[in-house]
Amino acid sequence: GDSVTQMEGPVTLSEEAFLTINCTYTATGYPSLFWYVQYPGEGLQLLLKATKADDKGSNKGFEATYRKETTSFHLEKGSVQVSDSAVYFCALIEGSGGSYIPTFGRGTSLIVHP
Amino acid sequence: DTEVTQTPKHLVMGMTNKKSLKCEQHMGHRAMYWYKQKAKKPPELMFVYSYEKLSINESVPSRFSPECPNSSLLNLHLHALQPEDSALYLCASSPGQGTNEKLFFGSGTQLSVL
Repeated sequence: GDSVTQMEGPVTLSEEAFLTINCTYTATGYPSLFWYVQYPGEGLQLLLKATKADDKGSNKGFEATYRKETTSFHLEKGSVQVSDSAVYFCALIEGSGGSYIPTFGRGTSLIVHP
Repeated sequence: DTEVTQTPKHLVMGMTNKKSLKCEQHMGHRAMYWYKQKAKKPPELMFVYSYEKLSINESVPSRFSPECPNSSLLNLHLHALQPEDSALYLCASSPGQGTNEKLFFGSGTQLSVL
């Protein structure tokens, strides 16, 4: 079945540091890939997505590129802020014979210190 | 309106109580979802409604009873819950189950069972 593997957190950084959160996936078909963010006490919000190989999703300074050859969708940001502290979930949705139900990774907690 | 609204935000109930969680969206979405999320874990799918019909039930105990009165509303009726059911309950919606579009999540109901 489909699965998403994320690096274990927490990831602790100082403000303005470079961020990478690794995500790899296993899917039988050709999934769409997503990063969701969850701030404390809130639900999940879509951060960015990519629907085909070599697509780059970007939003609020975050980027991720759909790498089919390495089955990866790593999240990056050049300069993190304290307000980026949250839990980040990588997810995939597989259509075309799949259930169209998202498969989530375990989540990676990011803590940014001033 | 691009919001999914959940009420109440917090709920404390005893094991013999009956309560309901409510979810509402006015985006014209035809798929609605209930997720359960324990602390520091990804959301776990409970139920999916597609065009107001229950399409997925992930082997959830019968003490959780979903209801979709119309295309904008989703309820989760709770009865005789156990302390281990304490969690954040998230509602989500999407344009349709048969798509690979993102999910829109509500902020959740934090449930404590005493």
